[in-house]
Amino acid sequence: EADIYQTPRYLVIGTGKKITLECSQTMGHDKMYWYQQDPGMELHLIHYSYGVNSTEKGDLSSESTVSRIRTEHFPLTLESARPSHTSQYLCASTGGVEAFFGQGTRLTVV
Amino acid sequence: RKEVEQDPGPFNVPEGATVAFNCTYSNSASQSFFWYRQDCRKEPKLLMSVYSSGNEDGRFTAQLNRASQYISLLIRDSKLSDSATYLCVVRGTYKYIFGTGTRLKVLA
Repeated sequence: EADIYQTPRYLVIGTGKKITLECSQTMGHDKMYWYQQDPGMELHLIHYSYGVNSTEKGDLSSESTVSRIRTEHFPLTLESARPSHTSQYLCASTGGVEAFFGQGTRLTVV
Repeated sequence: RKEVEQDPGPFNVPEGATVAFNCTYSNSASQSFFWYRQDCRKEPKLLMSVYSSGNEDGRFTAQLNRASQYISLLIRDSKLSDSATYLCVVRGTYKYIFGTGTRLKVLA
């Protein structure tokens, strides 16, 4: 089992609220990723990090931001949630070969 | 053109059938290749890595052709539990790029 955890698993929030999706891993992996996936659709990379204090935008434009202050922690923040942000957000990490995924956060903005 | 392209699904096959999935990638500098499995409303999980020499894990065989930039997955003797979406994944220097996935449904 992969030691990568996301909280919350499910979140329903009103438009305009600020939210932070948490992702933590205990495997000591340097590289971490955030993907966005709509139901039945492909995964899109929205952010990644090579290590502490490094963050990069992914291939899909996103209004979210990320930070990497500690190796094990890679939170994603939406300053002002909108219905268009409704989706599943998946966090992943790798030690070099295989990428391990958290169980995801299913976000609904109403 | 997408960086990773897969066969369109869904594939509906009877139990016991052999089914093959194909995938092509556009970046010749890609370094690692994988097949992931994703069950409905779950996270993707690694099924197997893919090597040029080909590799087999029980009923599953994966093959990579670097010259053609082509990856395949063969599932023999399909089981009901094989029903899922199969994702072709290509890794560059840092990023993992996922194909759209091919949905497999194995019918009793």
